[in-house]
Amino acid sequence: EIVMTQSPATLSLSPGETATLSCRASQSVSINLAWYQQKPGQPPRLLIYGASARAAGIPARFSGSGSGTDFTLTISSLQSEDFAVYYCQQYNNWPPRLTFGGGTKVEIK
Amino acid sequence: QVQLVQSGAEVGQPGSSVKVSCKASGGTFTNIPISWVRQAPGQGLEWVGGIIPRSRTTNYAPKFQDRVTITADEFTSTAYMELSSLRYEDTAVYYCAKQEMSLVSWFDSWGQGTLVTVSS
Repeated sequence: EIVMTQSPATLSLSPGETATLSCRASQSVSINLAWYQQKPGQPPRLLIYGASARAAGIPARFSGSGSGTDFTLTISSLQSEDFAVYYCQQYNNWPPRLTFGGGTKVEIK
Repeated sequence: QVQLVQSGAEVGQPGSSVKVSCKASGGTFTNIPISWVRQAPGQGLEWVGGIIPRSRTTNYAPKFQDRVTITADEFTSTAYMELSSLRYEDTAVYYCAKQEMSLVSWFDSWGQGTLVTVSS
């Protein structure tokens, strides 16, 4: 099983600042990585797939980068609605053995 | 755009089974890979397994292989997940989620979630 490790667990920032979230895979997943945002009581929402492609309707302040084992989600100029938990997910295997990172909570400082 | 609507909350006793449904609308159901992902209270996301309705191809996470059955009814555009031999640690919100192209992909649309509580 590919283990996904996210850091930090919590990120305390002020509106307008830039958030940099990290996701590391225990083995290479190429660019087969997605990012999700989840708010309390809601299902996750797809932000990024293919490591860097923004999903439909996602603002340009969300950007993804990386390949292989190291990935980054950057949220520039944090808005109030961006404070949430973010998860990465790999989809590199066949048969599917999809795994998620443990999440990073972005909270208001 | 495909929308997924799940059945309501369930309570099951340890050792029993529970079955959750996920009805799709707004797309061609038979071509849509559907997976189930669960989230225990205060915890992260965990993939349970998935199905491609057209081929009835299923894949399950090894952890759930012996206890979960995922099926799909093309006539009602509904996917089902049945979890048996329930344990207290199965208490979680179970989401169905649509995938792009195959079961080895991202989740681009999610149901609202169904809370399954295991309690005696």
